Amino acid sequence: DTGVSQDPRHKITKRGQNVTFRCDPISEHNRLYWYRQTLGQGPEFLTYFQNEAQLEKSRLLSDRFSAERPKGSFSTLEIQRTEQGDSAMYLCAARLAANTGELFFGEGSRLTVL
Amino acid sequence: RKEVEQDPGPFNVPEGATVAFNCTYSNSASQSFFWYRQDCRKEPKLLMSVYSSGNEDGRFTAQLNRASQYISLLIRDSKLSDSATYLCVAPGDTGFQKLVFGTGTRLLVSP
Repeated sequence: DTGVSQDPRHKITKRGQNVTFRCDPISEHNRLYWYRQTLGQGPEFLTYFQNEAQLEKSRLLSDRFSAERPKGSFSTLEIQRTEQGDSAMYLCAARLAANTGELFFGEGSRLTVL
Repeated sequence: RKEVEQDPGPFNVPEGATVAFNCTYSNSASQSFFWYRQDCRKEPKLLMSVYSSGNEDGRFTAQLNRASQYISLLIRDSKLSDSATYLCVAPGDTGFQKLVFGTGTRLLVSP
């Protein structure tokens, strides 16, 4: 158990609907990351937070995607107007140290867009 | 050039074999690197950190070659349980905070 929990674990939705995923990291891990992974690919960086500040966002992330970490603890990732291409595993990871610490992953939220 | 690049494999090896994976990275200022292991439909888990002096943990050895900008993972005496995808991780081009994963190298160890 890494201490990083994600909810929901699975989400099936129809194209055009909005979905939101939540990540709860360990309280000491002030750095939080979101990744997306599709079959046969490595996790693709989406964004990361240091405390409540979103410090970087992937250029690949369209404006339908938004992430927040309002109090520097849990984080949410929202996808608006979902498309079939959004179907993937969304992974949250937390990190303690600034430049040497490992990433601790949650079990992921699997999204299927019909 | 991709920030992190790996050969996707699969590497098919018999039990007991030695197998090595390489991974190249683009950010020459990178200081720390990692190898993660991912089992099918599971989240990635840290296998080893890789620093300038390399790292060894039992049958696993990770090395860093700064001149050529690659890291390697060597697995000796492969076990069936080593079958998994091995992901290389390095800082992205924008700095050490952004950790970028390679596509992963799939290893299949057979009896």
